[in-house]
Amino acid sequence: SQQGEEDPQALSIQEGENATMNCSYKTSINNLQWYRQNSGRGLVHLILIRSNEREKHSGRLRVTLDTSKKSSSLLITASRAADTASYFCATASGGSNYKLTFGKGTLLTVNP
Amino acid sequence: EADIYQTPRYLVIGTGKKITLECSQTMGHDKMYWYQQDPGMELHLIHYSYGVNSTEKGDLSSESTVSRIRTEHFPLTLESARPSHTSQYLCASSDGLAGGGETQYFGPGTRLLVL
Repeated sequence: SQQGEEDPQALSIQEGENATMNCSYKTSINNLQWYRQNSGRGLVHLILIRSNEREKHSGRLRVTLDTSKKSSSLLITASRAADTASYFCATASGGSNYKLTFGKGTLLTVNP
Repeated sequence: EADIYQTPRYLVIGTGKKITLECSQTMGHDKMYWYQQDPGMELHLIHYSYGVNSTEKGDLSSESTVSRIRTEHFPLTLESARPSHTSQYLCASSDGLAGGGETQYFGPGTRLLVL
C-alpha cells in the first residue's frame, strides 16, 4: 500500500527560483527520507529527518516535517538546471527502520 | 558515488527465458534490497535481505527469487520471463546504523524488456 504521496506530480521552474515539493503519508513514521533520481538512473539519498525533528538543512536543501499533519516538504533554493530530476519521499514505519515505502515522486524541471 | 553495481544495465529477452540480474556492493553492507519501478512510477520493494542466508519477500508480489550466499552479492532470478516482467529493477543496500534511520544506496538499475 502506498504510504507517501508527493505533490505536485510535476513542477517546472526557471533557474534561480526556489522549488518546493510536498509529501504526505498515512501512518506514524520512524523517519522520512528524500531521494533524487535522474532519468533512468538509480536513486541518490538527499536527506533524512527523524520523527522527533522538525527541520533539517543540507546545502541548498531544507526539509521540514510536521508529524501532526503527517506531511513533509523539500525546498530547493536557487535551483539549477542540474537539479532537474524526480524527487521521492520514502518513509520507514512500524517496527523497521530499514524497509522503505516510496511515494510516486515529483518530476522537477529547471529551465535554463 | 555508491559502490553498488548492477549488470546488465539493459536486457532484451524473449518470453520463457531464464534470467539473472546481478547486484554487488563493496561497502560491506549487511542489508540489501530489490525494487521494481515502472516508468514515472514509485518504487515497489520485491525482495530484501538482512544478511547472508536471509531473504524475505517485499510488499509487491513477484515471481522472481533471490539468494544471499555472500554479503556482497544479491542476485535476482526469473525462471521464465514474461512481458509483464518488463520494468526497471533497482538494487540497493544499507549498513544498518543503530539508533536511527537507514540511508539506502542504489545501483544504476537494470532495464528489462521481455518480448
